[in-house]
Amino acid sequence: GAGVSQSPSNKVTEKGKDVELRCDPISGHTALYWYRQSLGQGLEFLIYFQGNSAPDKSGLPSDRFSAERTGGSVSTLTIQRTQQEDSAVYLCASSFNRAGYTFGSGTRLTVV
Amino acid sequence: AQSVTQLGSHVSVSEGALVLLRCNYSSSVPPYLFWYVQYPNQGLQLLLKYTSAATLVKGINGFEAEFKKSETSFHLTKPSAHMSDAAEYFCAVSEVASNTGKLIFGQGTTLQVKP
Repeated sequence: GAGVSQSPSNKVTEKGKDVELRCDPISGHTALYWYRQSLGQGLEFLIYFQGNSAPDKSGLPSDRFSAERTGGSVSTLTIQRTQQEDSAVYLCASSFNRAGYTFGSGTRLTVV
Repeated sequence: AQSVTQLGSHVSVSEGALVLLRCNYSSSVPPYLFWYVQYPNQGLQLLLKYTSAATLVKGINGFEAEFKKSETSFHLTKPSAHMSDAAEYFCAVSEVASNTGKLIFGQGTTLQVKP
């Protein structure tokens, strides 16, 4: 596609429920990144994919967070047993090389 | 470890005045450096980037930044602020030698433009 697409744009969920956030990167971009943007923490790196593998998961805050990427394209970030501190904007970015990254508009997650 | 420091969480300028947003980085080797802008309820838009070519980098919307290795700085400037420049600005670094290319962001600077 022309840009990085994320869905849903907004998600409100009850504490304890699982959520899935989707990222559709630019076609041909082999690298995909997930970031989290929250008021207290700024922009934090979560996970990096190269193709379908994730060589760097160092930013995932707990084992409730997981992500996968299939077909070298779409990625899903899953948060299990959501907590209020998970409320944030989750941003996805894709890149063909390290000199350029394109970000999606993000998913705003609110845990109530 | 890499880090980015943006001096001033809020900057206020008058329309037509010079915009200066400060960014200092910490990296063992000269990194790639980026400035992004974020408008309310939108994603990050790339303003400009330094990737070891010219040290003075020109970007979109009249912005430019100069890489100064001796000062480990990459400050963002615009000669004349416009009302539409009001947004949040993020400086980011990516280590050239990194296997991941992940970006490390500063805390952001909110730019207010007064009429």
